[in-house]
Amino acid sequence: DAGITQSPRHKVTETGTPVTLRCHQTENHRYMYWYRQDPGHGLRLIHYSYGVKDTDKGEVSDGYSVSRSKTEDFLLTLESATSSQTSVYFCAIRAVTRSGNTIYFGEGSWLTVV
Amino acid sequence: KNEVEQSPQNLTAQEGEFITINCSYSVGISALHWLQQHPGGGIVSLFMLSSGKKKHGRLIATINIQEKHSSLHITASHPRDSAVYICAVMVTDKLIFGTGTRLQVFP
Repeated sequence: DAGITQSPRHKVTETGTPVTLRCHQTENHRYMYWYRQDPGHGLRLIHYSYGVKDTDKGEVSDGYSVSRSKTEDFLLTLESATSSQTSVYFCAIRAVTRSGNTIYFGEGSWLTVV
Repeated sequence: KNEVEQSPQNLTAQEGEFITINCSYSVGISALHWLQQHPGGGIVSLFMLSSGKKKHGRLIATINIQEKHSSLHITASHPRDSAVYICAVMVTDKLIFGTGTRLQVFP
């Protein structure tokens, strides 16, 4: 599982409050991703990182920011949570091997904004 | 139109049946992944394909790069195969996902 942990796993928060989700890996993989999963949409990319302090936006980045100050941690922040950000958030890592790329996912973080 | 289309969206089978799930994509890719998601959320990578065919146990995945199409087959299906199967394509550094196929296998 590439040693991926997400925290918190479940959170209920109020509209307008800031929320930070953490993705931690233990194997020094370069590429890390944050996705959200909603019914009828599949997994959609929020932001990704290709190295320390190197990040880029995905298709649904509005309302989200990220930071990667060290290889092992990729943080996703909702500056002011809205009900539309109620979702399941998955962190993923791309492990590059000689045979190609393997994708590993964290267990998911269930966020409810009330 | 989604860049990755899966069919069918839902699939019901009796134990022992042969299952096929299809994935079509409209973009240039470097690889295609098949993933499995069980109820409760965990997502596991089943296959990564850039050409040809791969087999792991009762699962077989094929890809036709020219046709931009991939299939996932399950032989001798079992109730524990019940899950959502997701196709994803790698485009430069990003994965683009299909919406998944929900499979239920009944005893």
